[in-house]
Amino acid sequence: AQRVTQPEKLLSVFKGAPVELKCNYSYSGSPELFWYVQYSRQRLQLLLRHISRESIKGFTADLNKGETSFHLKKPFAQEEDSAMYYCALKVGGTASKLTFGTGTRLQVTL
Amino acid sequence: NAGVTQTPKFRILKIGQSMTLQCAQDMNHNYMYWYRQDPGMGLKLIYYSVGAGITDKGEVPNGYNVSRSTTEDFPLRLELAAPSQTSVYFCASSAGTASGANVLTFGAGSRLTVL
Repeated sequence: AQRVTQPEKLLSVFKGAPVELKCNYSYSGSPELFWYVQYSRQRLQLLLRHISRESIKGFTADLNKGETSFHLKKPFAQEEDSAMYYCALKVGGTASKLTFGTGTRLQVTL
Repeated sequence: NAGVTQTPKFRILKIGQSMTLQCAQDMNHNYMYWYRQDPGMGLKLIYYSVGAGITDKGEVPNGYNVSRSTTEDFPLRLELAAPSQTSVYFCASSAGTASGANVLTFGAGSRLTVL
């Protein structure tokens, strides 16, 4: 069965420091991976997806099939990056059935 | 545009009671989903729908029922509430188009406590 692992419940970094939120997955099919974010008092929303290969709010994530990872990175953390981040894996079929990790809370301090 | 609207935001139920969580979207999305999130856990898919009249089970469907009579609405029914159903419930929707595929729009969540 598919699984998404986010090993860190909490990641605390200083403003301006690099950020790496880890995500590993297990899935026998061809994976589609996403990062969703929930800012304080806001709804869960898409941050980025691997097929787009884009940078959103300075964040990037590269799919590494050899290491089955999809880590989220940002070179310089900002206070407004503080939020809950969820890695998600789409399983097969036409509907967007996602398997979510348990989430990592990113705390950016001055 | 309201997006995805869930009601109620909070509810306390007694064991054995029934209730319906309402979900409506105004984006004309074909696909709709119900997830639950227990404390410290990821979201788990309860049920989903690929269009009006079509529903299917997700990972944790036991104790729940859904219906999809219109494109807009996707209510989730709890028939006999149990403490194990204490959770935060999220409704979401996604378009069937290539550009919107797999991008879920979430509701604000409904916090349910069963005592």
